Amino acid sequence: TQTVSQSDAHVTVFEGDSVELRCNYSYGGSIYLSWYIQHHGHGLQFLLKYYSGNPVVQGVNGFEAEFSKSDSSFHLRKASVHWSDSAVYFCAVRGNNNAPRFGAGTKLSVKP
Amino acid sequence: DPKIIQKPKYLVAVTGSEKILICEQYLGHNAMYWYRQSAKKPLEFMFSYSYQKLMDNQTASSRFQPQSSKKNHLDLQITALKPDDSATYFCASSPDWGVYEQYFGPGTRLTVL
Repeated sequence: TQTVSQSDAHVTVFEGDSVELRCNYSYGGSIYLSWYIQHHGHGLQFLLKYYSGNPVVQGVNGFEAEFSKSDSSFHLRKASVHWSDSAVYFCAVRGNNNAPRFGAGTKLSVKP
Repeated sequence: DPKIIQKPKYLVAVTGSEKILICEQYLGHNAMYWYRQSAKKPLEFMFSYSYQKLMDNQTASSRFQPQSSKKNHLDLQITALKPDDSATYFCASSPDWGVYEQYFGPGTRLTVL
């Protein structure tokens, strides 16, 4: 059974700061990892994904994430956040032919 | 134009009643999904369909029944509604079933009194 953990329920930073949102997973086989963003009152929007190849993947709006097999992690990063990045971020993991599992989400608050 | 339409946006129902949540996607995708999000639980996968066939069912209760009349439609019928069913229900789609990014609809917020 795959699980995904987002250890930080809430992260607060100032505009222009860098940020890292953490995601750890447990799964024994090949996995597909992704990040989604949810603005208040809206559905989720896809940010980026990793399946194989370069462990650092680039997404939309300056986001990137790095896969680490040794740490079982797929942390999301952004070098300089904007107030519009305030939202809830979800990490998701799925194995081949398995239903996706989402983490509990991390609420990012960006202060001006 | 919205690519995934969910109707209604808000829905209030009484305990024991039955409701149908509508989902249509205009992305040309072959796979569709239902998720549930509530204050008590993180985003919870419910069903996945590919070419109108059920692929995954992670919902224990038979009160939840997906219905696919066309490839781009996946409605969700919920019978014998309970207050615990109160949640926002999201429909999603992807190009094919498998390791593809998913596109989510705006959700239907269901409140059961």
